[in-house]
Amino acid sequence: AQSVTQLGSHVSVSEGALVLLRCNYSSSVPPYLFWYVQYPNQGLQLLLKYTSAATLVKGINGFEAEFKKSETSFHLTKPSAHMSDAAEYFCAVSDLKAAGNKLTFGGGTRVLVKP
Amino acid sequence: DAGVTQSPTHLIKTRGQQVTLRCSPKSGHDTVSWYQQALGQGPQFIFQYYEEEERQRGNFPDRFSGHQFPNYSSELNVNALLLGDSALYLCASSLPDSGNTIYFGEGSWLTVV
Repeated sequence: AQSVTQLGSHVSVSEGALVLLRCNYSSSVPPYLFWYVQYPNQGLQLLLKYTSAATLVKGINGFEAEFKKSETSFHLTKPSAHMSDAAEYFCAVSDLKAAGNKLTFGGGTRVLVKP
Repeated sequence: DAGVTQSPTHLIKTRGQQVTLRCSPKSGHDTVSWYQQALGQGPQFIFQYYEEEERQRGNFPDRFSGHQFPNYSSELNVNALLLGDSALYLCASSLPDSGNTIYFGEGSWLTVV
């Protein structure tokens, strides 16, 4: 069975500071990995995904994530936080070899950006 | 190009009632999944439909059922509602294979009183 752990349910950063959101996964087979963002009262929007190509993945809104197999991690970063980055972020894993396209999500990390 | 659309946006039901939520997938997508997101938690997979058949199911009781129509739209039905069914229900669409981008709708907020 797959699982995802997001360290820190809440993260507070100053505007202009580095944003670092941590994600560790457990999977018995090579995974696909995703980061989604959820703004208040909205659905989920894909930020980026890893599907076994380059280990450093660039996404929308200046975010990027690095797949590290040895650490089973897929941490999300953004060099300089903007007020509009305040939202909840979810890491998710999908089974490369399973039939169907199903996501297993972590518990989420809520980001607060201070002016 | 319309994305994933869901209806209704919000609804309130009483314990023991039944509810039907509706979803239209993104144009060109034939696979529809439903997720339940309780307050303060990550989404949990309920089930997935492909070619009008339930292809995968998460750890949800039989009170949760669904349907996919020939035009790929889908319904989620929940019978005998419990207070614990209060959540945001998200519909997601994609192409069928693992790794394809999954697009989510805005969700349907269900409150059970």
